[in-house]
Amino acid sequence: AQSVTQLDSHVSVSEGTPVLLRCNYSSSYSPSLFWYVQHPNKGLQLLLKYTSAATLVKGINGFEAEFKKSETSFHLTKPSAHMSDAAEYFCVVTPDTGRRALTFGSGTRLQVQP
Amino acid sequence: DVKVTQSSRYLVKRTGEKVFLECVQDMDHENMFWYRQDPGLGLRLIYFSYDVKMKEKGDIPEGYSVSREKKERFSLILESASTNQTSMYLCASRTLDDYNSPLHFGNGTRLTVT
Repeated sequence: AQSVTQLDSHVSVSEGTPVLLRCNYSSSYSPSLFWYVQHPNKGLQLLLKYTSAATLVKGINGFEAEFKKSETSFHLTKPSAHMSDAAEYFCVVTPDTGRRALTFGSGTRLQVQP
Repeated sequence: DVKVTQSSRYLVKRTGEKVFLECVQDMDHENMFWYRQDPGLGLRLIYFSYDVKMKEKGDIPEGYSVSREKKERFSLILESASTNQTSMYLCASRTLDDYNSPLHFGNGTRLTVT
């Protein structure tokens, strides 16, 4: 079985400062991991994915994430926050078989202050 | 690009009505999912399917049923709508050809039961 923990339910940053959204996972196999973003009243959009090809993954809108197996972490970062980054972010892990569902973290709401 | 289409963006129904939420994907994906999203509760899996006519219960199946008669269409049915089913409903799909494949989401249906 797998699990995902997003360590912060809310993060607030000032525009132009770095963003760090934390995600830890546990799994008995080698999963793939994703970050999704959801803007208000919208569906979820894929930001980036880790698939074992490279531990540092670049996504859309300047976001990136680093997979650290020793720490079982997949934290999302961005060097400089923009007002449009204000949204909810979800960390997701794949199951070991297609007959099971993916596991979502509880989400982190990012606020960006002007 | 994968397109997941949910038939209604907003829906208002009365208590006791039978409600159908439709979801169609255009990429021949095997996996399809229904989630509901409520403030403070994150995404909760209602049902999913990994093949035509196959369905699996998620975390909160009570009060819901699903139908997958064709590969591209996954319907969520509220047999007798209740006010506690007022929520945002999100449909998603995924291919099983690639273990690393992400979920693709529709834009959601905001259902209000009065």
